[in-house]
Amino acid sequence: AQTVTQSQPEMSVQEAETVTLSCTYDTSESDYYLFWYKQPPSRQMILVIRQEAYKQQNATENRFSVNFQKAAKSFSLKISDSQLGDAAMYFCAYRSGGGGADGLTFGKGTHLIIQP
Amino acid sequence: DSGVTQTPKHLITATGQRVTLRCSPRSGDLSVYWYQQSLDQGLQFLIQYYNGEERAKGNILERFSAQQFPDLHSELNLSSLELGDSALYFCASSVGGGLADTQYFGPGTRLTVL
Repeated sequence: AQTVTQSQPEMSVQEAETVTLSCTYDTSESDYYLFWYKQPPSRQMILVIRQEAYKQQNATENRFSVNFQKAAKSFSLKISDSQLGDAAMYFCAYRSGGGGADGLTFGKGTHLIIQP
Repeated sequence: DSGVTQTPKHLITATGQRVTLRCSPRSGDLSVYWYQQSLDQGLQFLIQYYNGEERAKGNILERFSAQQFPDLHSELNLSSLELGDSALYFCASSVGGGLADTQYFGPGTRLTVL
């Protein structure tokens, strides 16, 4: 079974600074999808960014970008110009590209604190 | 707002009881997924339905069941409730049943079992 590990239970960053959240995963598959979801205090799960494993180019969405290292099975999220609204739990998630269950496998999450 | 709706927002019940959680997917989405978020287990995938048919099962207990109706809304039934079933239950939907499809989450139903 695939596992997703987020080794940073909590991170703190000053407003307007850059922060990187780490995620590693364990899989024997070559085809899969990776996601970062944000969960603010409202508890709503919001998609931040997604990456297809077959794509070498790192995904970018405005201030959010990923560093996808397939060989190292690493998928970190970089948030540039941090804003107070970025404060939330961030979850890394994996989805198989073939076979097995079709649900997402989540990490335990990283609590991001933005210092004003 | 993701376009996925869930009712009720909160539910408080007693051990041994049965409850039904309801989910309406985004307009046009055919797949519905159910997830459980608890302090002990984190976020876990329970089950997926695609166009009325069960598509995949995750860590769903035998006391739990789900279905998707012809209008594509879905219900998650939890029976013989235990204290440990207290959690936030999310529904998510996607356009199709494909593995590449992004899942959009509803606001969740918070279940408290006393």
